[in-house]
Amino acid sequence: NAGVTQTPKFQVLKTGQSMTLQCAQDMNHNSMYWYRQDPGMGLRLIYYSASEGTTDKGEVPNGYNVSRLNKREFSLRLESAAPSQTSVYFCASRDRDTGYETQYFGPGTRLLVL
Amino acid sequence: RKEVEQDPGPFNVPEGATVAFNCTYSNSASQSFFWYRQDCRKEPKLLMSVYSSGNEDGRFTAQLNRASQYISLLIRDSKLSDSATYLCVVNIGDTGRRALTFGSGTRLQVQP
Repeated sequence: NAGVTQTPKFQVLKTGQSMTLQCAQDMNHNSMYWYRQDPGMGLRLIYYSASEGTTDKGEVPNGYNVSRLNKREFSLRLESAAPSQTSVYFCASRDRDTGYETQYFGPGTRLLVL
Repeated sequence: RKEVEQDPGPFNVPEGATVAFNCTYSNSASQSFFWYRQDCRKEPKLLMSVYSSGNEDGRFTAQLNRASQYISLLIRDSKLSDSATYLCVVNIGDTGRRALTFGSGTRLQVQP
């Protein structure tokens, strides 16, 4: 049981390049989330998916798109990277079935946009 | 005003000390409250939920004051391994997204 996995761990992009961050969970959770973490800012929600086939914007969605490919996978795409998107990106999934609201986080992707 | 506010610290304490962190939240509709722990360059992990009646887990005690909209975490008999950033986390509870709102964290450094 790997929990939440993310790829890649690190990435350097040039301004204007595109990339997709991958996330997968093996806990059969319905809800999945993408956050970004910047120094002094805490984690901020980019997009979330309450269930397979649905996605919604969070607090800071501009410049990002997401795909909930199936129940396990939730990807985040940067179409045209900007230096302001330099950050650490965390994917998370939520255990709703037991009534708990704990979110389980992946190890993060560190992205540098030059 | 931030939705969840914490003193960033750092709190530098000797081993064995008792240390307390406070956190305030602005949305009175908040329903669930948590403390997460984040080690340097790692993902956040749930430390404990915070219940209205207060709750304890070993050396850790969490309290919630809804009237004043603040949450506290008390760590007794600090260990070197407690060194980390502690994130105060609130769930407003709208049924759609159930996303968490994070404070920016309080850094704790326990020294030998």
